Amino acid sequence: DVKVTQSSRYLVKRTGEKVFLECVQDMDHENMFWYRQDPGLGLRLIYFSYDVKMKEKGDIPEGYSVSREKKERFSLILESASTNQTSMYLCASSPIRGQVYEQYFGPGTRLTVT
Amino acid sequence: AQRVTQPEKLLSVFKGAPVELKCNYSYSGSPELFWYVQYSRQRLQLLLRHISRESIKGFTADLNKGETSFHLKKPFAQEEDSAMYYCALSGRSFQKLVFGTGTRLLVSP
Repeated sequence: DVKVTQSSRYLVKRTGEKVFLECVQDMDHENMFWYRQDPGLGLRLIYFSYDVKMKEKGDIPEGYSVSREKKERFSLILESASTNQTSMYLCASSPIRGQVYEQYFGPGTRLTVT
Repeated sequence: AQRVTQPEKLLSVFKGAPVELKCNYSYSGSPELFWYVQYSRQRLQLLLRHISRESIKGFTADLNKGETSFHLKKPFAQEEDSAMYYCALSGRSFQKLVFGTGTRLLVSP
């Protein structure tokens, strides 16, 4: 059974802080993704990665960066958190490089920036 | 650009009634369509994909390329079907998922 875990379920940070969201998958999946989920806007792709040390911008990368130093771990970084980054953040993984297959999602991190 | 439209934010039905959640897409190539579901306090999970042509939990969805639609249907709704449903699109020219804005299905007793 695929397991995607995220480091925190709830996080409260102050404006201007640097924020790290961690995601780990245990099924040797090639692809990993970060989305934000907002009411009325659905899921929007922030960044994704098809391989270690590789990253691709999604639809809304501004204000975010990512890091993938190991295959199983994909980190989302908010360099200087702002209130408009208050959201639910979802991590996902899928098995085959460059192919869109079933994506497996983590439980989400609800980030509040005050 | 690729786009997925789910016109209804909320769909409210009574138990036993038929359900149809609408999804339309915009993509000039050969699409792959998916329905994902998120039950209360659970993670988002795949419900079905058009390639498999399966019925999952009584739900079916048929890809209509002429109408660029992939509506999700169930003949008799159950209370446990209450959830958030997302339609998603992918294709060979863009190897990622594009999600719609979601429809919340509420099934009342």
